[in-house]
Amino acid sequence: QKEVEQNSGPLSVPEGAIASLNCTYSDRVSQSFFWYRQYSGKSPELIMSIYSNGDKEDGRFTAQLNKASQYVSLLIRDSQPSDSATYLCAVLQTGANNLFFGTGTRLTVIP
Amino acid sequence: NAGVTQTPKFQVLKTGQSMTLQCAQDMNHNSMYWYRQDPGMGLRLIYYSASEGTTDKGEVPNGYNVSRLNKREFSLRLESAAPSQTSVYFCASSPRGVQSEKLFFGSGTQLSVL
Repeated sequence: QKEVEQNSGPLSVPEGAIASLNCTYSDRVSQSFFWYRQYSGKSPELIMSIYSNGDKEDGRFTAQLNKASQYVSLLIRDSQPSDSATYLCAVLQTGANNLFFGTGTRLTVIP
Repeated sequence: NAGVTQTPKFQVLKTGQSMTLQCAQDMNHNSMYWYRQDPGMGLRLIYYSASEGTTDKGEVPNGYNVSRLNKREFSLRLESAAPSQTSVYFCASSPRGVQSEKLFFGSGTQLSVL
């Protein structure tokens, strides 16, 4: 079982719609969770971090964490073509010095 | 402000050749990392350096060596390249450590081993 699992997609949504990206993790005691965005041919960049159960909003982005279900999600409201990228979920296990990354979900926003 | 700088951007090697990937950061970060990214595998940690003078193995260290030359520079060496090491390599840094910290990535090195 992989540490972090994501649906590889591709996920296509029309411009202005809500994109929902999901991630599950295997280590029940993981504490820190991150979403990175990676444009094609570029390096990853952090867009959201979340540490406690519930929702965290930052502009058009909302991260949701449910530790009981070992589930993290990222919602992108009012999706724009510029949001087209691969989104990487990353999880930090308790006591670890290593972020475990999922394989990423490729999102395409159709104008 | 350059951030994290990696060289080279592209490299083609023959099996058995050696090379060193260079990484430097100008943000005065303590921790530095080397990742590889392969299709279907995600980003995997090769080695990391929590602070100047220390290095530790990550998930996939076999076939690699690292040197934390000073606080700014962290190099990755392939002593005898193998086709399985064909990948995109990213260097990253963070201010203190990976816990609860944002990673700043370099632009990557596309390496092909023939």
